[in-house]
Amino acid sequence: GQQVMQIPQYQHVQEGEDFTTYCNSSTTLSNIQWYKQRPGGHPVFLIQLVKSGEVKKQKRLTFQFGEAKKNSSLHITATQTTDVGTYFCAGYFGNEKLTFGTGTRLTIIP
Amino acid sequence: DTEVTQTPKHLVMGMTNKKSLKCEQHMGHRAMYWYKQKAKKPPELMFVYSYEKLSINESVPSRFSPECPNSSLLNLHLHALQPEDSALYLCASSLQGGFQETQYFGPGTRLLVL
Repeated sequence: GQQVMQIPQYQHVQEGEDFTTYCNSSTTLSNIQWYKQRPGGHPVFLIQLVKSGEVKKQKRLTFQFGEAKKNSSLHITATQTTDVGTYFCAGYFGNEKLTFGTGTRLTIIP
Repeated sequence: DTEVTQTPKHLVMGMTNKKSLKCEQHMGHRAMYWYKQKAKKPPELMFVYSYEKLSINESVPSRFSPECPNSSLLNLHLHALQPEDSALYLCASSLQGGFQETQYFGPGTRLLVL
């Protein structure tokens, strides 16, 4: 079936360090979305990328969509304690079903 | 108002009980979703309703029965559940169900089956 894998599974960083999570699909995606889930919380939409090679920024967060529309990345510059949580990419394979990636859990060491 | 509400927040039930989870949104969205999320795992789609009609059932066991009484409400009826059904059940909604839409998630119901 269609799968979306993320690496790393876990990431522990010192506050102020950068963080990157990578998302890879076995097949071409129609688009990619990113969600953040705080501990004990629910997924919250961050952004959507649609075009091949697209790059979007939100303050310290930079999102990229690969040229082949099979991979994506999220980079956080100078992490803060508020960045703690699990980051999921999620993609549509051209249908109604949003398939979530395996997630990367980010913890921050103050 | 971009809020999706879910009740109850927590639920403990025995394997012979019948219970229902409720979800409500007032954003005018016409697509609503049920997801199941186990600890440290991503949400897994269970059901999709589009314009009050069931459009996707991800081969969910019949002990889970969804219902969409109107465009604002979504229920999940539970009967004869198993302990492995314990999880966080998330409801979400989107504008129409198209593949470029943002999904808005509710806070979830944490279900424990004993």
